[in-house]
Amino acid sequence: QKEVEQDPGPLSVPEGAIVSLNCTYSNSAFQYFMWYRQYSRKGPELLMYTYSSGNKEDGRFTAQVDKSSKYISLFIRDSQPSDSATYLCAMSGAAGNKLTFGGGTRVLVKP
Amino acid sequence: DSGVTQTPKHLITATGQRVTLRCSPRSGDLSVYWYQQSLDQGLQFLIQYYNGEERAKGNILERFSAQQFPDLHSELNLSSLELGDSALYFCASSALEGHSPLHFGNGTRLTVT
Repeated sequence: QKEVEQDPGPLSVPEGAIVSLNCTYSNSAFQYFMWYRQYSRKGPELLMYTYSSGNKEDGRFTAQVDKSSKYISLFIRDSQPSDSATYLCAMSGAAGNKLTFGGGTRVLVKP
Repeated sequence: DSGVTQTPKHLITATGQRVTLRCSPRSGDLSVYWYQQSLDQGLQFLIQYYNGEERAKGNILERFSAQQFPDLHSELNLSSLELGDSALYFCASSALEGHSPLHFGNGTRLTVT
């Protein structure tokens, strides 16, 4: 079993809908949680960076962390075709900055 | 644009050969990381350097080595290449040795034939 599980999708939604993405993890030592967006043939682009449990909002993006359930989420409001990409969750522990990634969820936003 | 530069963008080589991948971190970042991305394994951490010194090692094969130079650029050397080494290799950088956001380059696509 992988340390970080993420549904590969694809997740297809109409333009303007809310996109809901999530990851579960097994390592209780993880304390820092990130979401990256990756377009085809490009490197991962950092969207959200959070520490411990709670919510964080940045524009159309909201990240939630529930450490008690070992579950993190990313919500994208008012989705646009340009949001079509693969979304990767990543996390790290208290020591060091080594990231463990989920496998990524492919999202398709249809006009 | 993340500010992390990787060269070359593409590499095609034969089994048994050796290649060098190069990375220039964002201006001011002292930490450099190398990751491998393949279809079946996803993004896997290889190695981290901070200000010229190795700081953490992941699932990096003995045939692979890396270094960070005084000007902070880094090189990943892959030798005795096998078909299974075909993958995207990403470099990332961060400002600090510890907890700070990682910013990725656009990768080098390695194809071993």
